[in-house]
Amino acid sequence: LAKTTQPISMDSYEGQEVNITCSHNNIATNDYITWYQQFPSQGPRFIIQGYKTKVTNEVASLFIPADRKSSTLSLPRVSLSDTAVYYCLVGDKDFQKLVFGTGTRLLVSP
Amino acid sequence: EPEVTQTPSHQVTQMGQEVILRCVPISNHLYFYWYRQILGQKVEFLVSFYNNEISEKSEIFDDQFSVERPDGSNFTLKIRSTKLEDSAMYFCASKGRQEQYFGPGTRLTVT
Repeated sequence: LAKTTQPISMDSYEGQEVNITCSHNNIATNDYITWYQQFPSQGPRFIIQGYKTKVTNEVASLFIPADRKSSTLSLPRVSLSDTAVYYCLVGDKDFQKLVFGTGTRLLVSP
Repeated sequence: EPEVTQTPSHQVTQMGQEVILRCVPISNHLYFYWYRQILGQKVEFLVSFYNNEISEKSEIFDDQFSVERPDGSNFTLKIRSTKLEDSAMYFCASKGRQEQYFGPGTRLTVT
């Protein structure tokens, strides 16, 4: 499984766009990039998954450059309820075993 | 939206006792998992289960742990003789076509 590196923490204010970048230099050809969100004392929740270029859903966008060695999760206009830990994971599309790192702790302030 | 449920939400037990944590995965999912998260630490994979057998397990999942799908809806994690270091949040997850859906967790406290 490719190792991922992401910032330990980020701060933002309500209404701002937040971009969290994840490095995965050793990503394999058949690996996908998946992001999960976790609130305190809750289970992780799937946000988005992508392979290349850009993926968008109702919650976030995921930008993946051509070399795929990094990816950026973009949260448009965050609110206080987006305060959570965000995890970047890399593995094949059907990967059965999720390996979580320490994630990025996002704090959204008023 | 369908969801994974877990019971109990909090379990307190004494060291050496057996505990069974229960999960009801999403009904049409075929892959099931257990993870744990010690307070302040990472979410750790314990075991994956498919077609009524374990497909992968971690080093944490030793002989003290077992999983079972006793009927068509429940998925259980048993810890035979709990240790203090088993205190953690235990998350069940199930998977359909794409992502894993996690339950709300059971907080296990071993005293």
